[in-house]
Amino acid sequence: AQTVTQSQPEMSVQEAETVTLSCTYDTSESNYYLFWYKQPPSRQMILVIRQEAYKQQNATENRFSVNFQKAAKSFSLKISDSQLGDTAMYFCAFMNGQGGSEKLVFGKGMKLTVNP
Amino acid sequence: DSGVTQTPKHLITATGQRVTLRCSPRSGDLSVYWYQQSLDQGLQFLIQYYNGEERAKGNILERFSAQQFPDLHSELNLSSLELGDSALYFCASSRYSGANVLTFGAGSRLTVL
Repeated sequence: AQTVTQSQPEMSVQEAETVTLSCTYDTSESNYYLFWYKQPPSRQMILVIRQEAYKQQNATENRFSVNFQKAAKSFSLKISDSQLGDTAMYFCAFMNGQGGSEKLVFGKGMKLTVNP
Repeated sequence: DSGVTQTPKHLITATGQRVTLRCSPRSGDLSVYWYQQSLDQGLQFLIQYYNGEERAKGNILERFSAQQFPDLHSELNLSSLELGDSALYFCASSRYSGANVLTFGAGSRLTVL
């Protein structure tokens, strides 16, 4: 079974700074997807970024980028130029790429606070 | 607005009762997923339906059941409710099975007293 571990329960950062959120996962699969989801106080689960395991290039979405280390099974999220609106819970998630089911396995989450 | 609609947003009920949570997927999405978010268990996958058929099952209790109707909306039925069933229940949808991009609804907050 796949597992996702987020070892940092909470972090805070000053506005405009850069912060990195860590995530490790365990799987025996070779074809899979990794995600970062954001859950602000509104509770809505919002997709931040997605990475396909077969792609060596790290995914980027504006201020958000990942450092995907497949051999180390590590998938960290870097947020540049942090904004107050980035304050939220962040969840790392894994999805098996085979079998026809898009079951997401989530980590426990990390609370990020961006301070003015 | 993600396009995935969940009702009700909040629900308070008593132990032993039965409730139904409803989800309308994004227009054109055929697959619906249910997740439970609780303080102690985190986000857990419950069940997936694709075009009316059950596709995958996760940590769903026997007291819980779900179905997807011909119009593709889905309902999650929770019965013989216990205090520990208090949680945020999310519905998500995707275009097809294998799309690997899920869009989540805003969730239904269930409180069991």
